[in-house]
Amino acid sequence: SAVISQKPSRDICQRGTSLTIQCQVDSQVTMMFWYRQQPGQSLTLIATANQGSEATYESGFVIDKFPISRPNLTFSTLTVSNMSPEDSSIYLCSVGAGLNEQFFGPGTRLTVL
Amino acid sequence: AQSVTQPDIHITVSEGASLELRCNYSYGATPYLFWYVQSPGQGLQLLLKYFSGDTLVQGIKGFEAEFKRSQSSFNLRKPSVHWSDAAEYFCAVGASGGSYIPTFGRGTSLIVHP
Repeated sequence: SAVISQKPSRDICQRGTSLTIQCQVDSQVTMMFWYRQQPGQSLTLIATANQGSEATYESGFVIDKFPISRPNLTFSTLTVSNMSPEDSSIYLCSVGAGLNEQFFGPGTRLTVL
Repeated sequence: AQSVTQPDIHITVSEGASLELRCNYSYGATPYLFWYVQSPGQGLQLLLKYFSGDTLVQGIKGFEAEFKRSQSSFNLRKPSVHWSDAAEYFCAVGASGGSYIPTFGRGTSLIVHP
């Protein structure tokens, strides 16, 4: 299994600002993912972070709102841009371990006022 | 595409009682199946997984799950629940010929009474 850390663990932000969330893995991994978990809801995949190329976004998510970087095989960032209260969620980074198995970071709890 | 249903939003049990959380999936071939637990304020932790072979799978923290192809189910069980088991539990299904990304159920919230 991989050890995954996320920064920040939580934040409170003002409407209209942006927040960048960092995800660090203790080993090189091919597949990294970003999820959103809205209050009381299940996980929704935002995008797959691809090393060396643009992220692959799921339906309903766009690069302008959620730009993603993946500069190497151990690190990725997700930016939540021009935030509104509807963006208040837990944002989770995960890594793929083969056969659909995933390991998750502790999450970033975002509140937008 | 695969899908997963967790029919129970909340389950309440007394400490020491047995537990069964239900999960039903839809997929045309043999699925990959997972149970994750999310404690308050935490990320998701993998409890157990099924890929093939023995249909009764043992996991961490005393949990087990049984794959029943005829019922398209993968229910999670524990013989005696502890107060620390109070958490959100997610079932997930992956496609053996698919995209390497599992589909998650909506979750079941477990409440444990002393």
